[in-house]
Amino acid sequence: AQSVTQLDSQVPVFEEAPVELRCNYSSSVSVYLFWYVQYPNQGLQLLLKYLSGSTLVKGINGFEAEFNKSQTSFHLRKPSVHISDTAEYFCAVSDPAAGNNRKLIWGLGTSLAVNP
Amino acid sequence: DAGVIQSPRHEVTEMGQEVTLRCKPISGHNSLFWYRQTMMRGLELLIYFNNNVPIDDSGMPEDRFSAKMPNASFSTLKIQPSEPRDSAVYFCASSPDGGSGNTIYFGEGSWLTVV
Repeated sequence: AQSVTQLDSQVPVFEEAPVELRCNYSSSVSVYLFWYVQYPNQGLQLLLKYLSGSTLVKGINGFEAEFNKSQTSFHLRKPSVHISDTAEYFCAVSDPAAGNNRKLIWGLGTSLAVNP
Repeated sequence: DAGVIQSPRHEVTEMGQEVTLRCKPISGHNSLFWYRQTMMRGLELLIYFNNNVPIDDSGMPEDRFSAKMPNASFSTLKIQPSEPRDSAVYFCASSPDGGSGNTIYFGEGSWLTVV
């Protein structure tokens, strides 16, 4: 069965510093990979997703992620964070063979706290 | 464009009372999800509808929970009777058809506190 592990539950960082949020998945088959962000008191919204093609995926707000099949990872990065990036970040994985996305497997989230 | 609309945003109720959460999905989306989010368990899928039909309700915790989707633009999640352990954020989300690579669009959530 597929699973998603977000290796850090909390990541504190200073403004303008780089950040990496780590995500590993377990699957013996091909996967679709997602990062969603949840700002305080809001719902989740898509940051970026990998379906196929280039392993480096660029998303909104200057974030990017790299799919590494050999390491089964999909780490999220930003070269310089802002206070407004303070949020909860969720990694998720799905099976491309599934007919719909109800079987999306979610990580437990990483809380990014950007300090001035 | 309007996103997924949920109501109420916040609800505080007493144990034993009935709670009804409402959702209007994005027009044209065929899939609708109800999720529950807690600190302990993270994000859990409660039920999934496709074309207004409940396809997967294996995540519904117990018979106190029920969900309906009478038409393509409205769904409800009902808890009766409510218990303190039901306190959580409940998200409605929708997605277009077309496979597991589609983006899921979330509402802002209904924050439920049962005292």
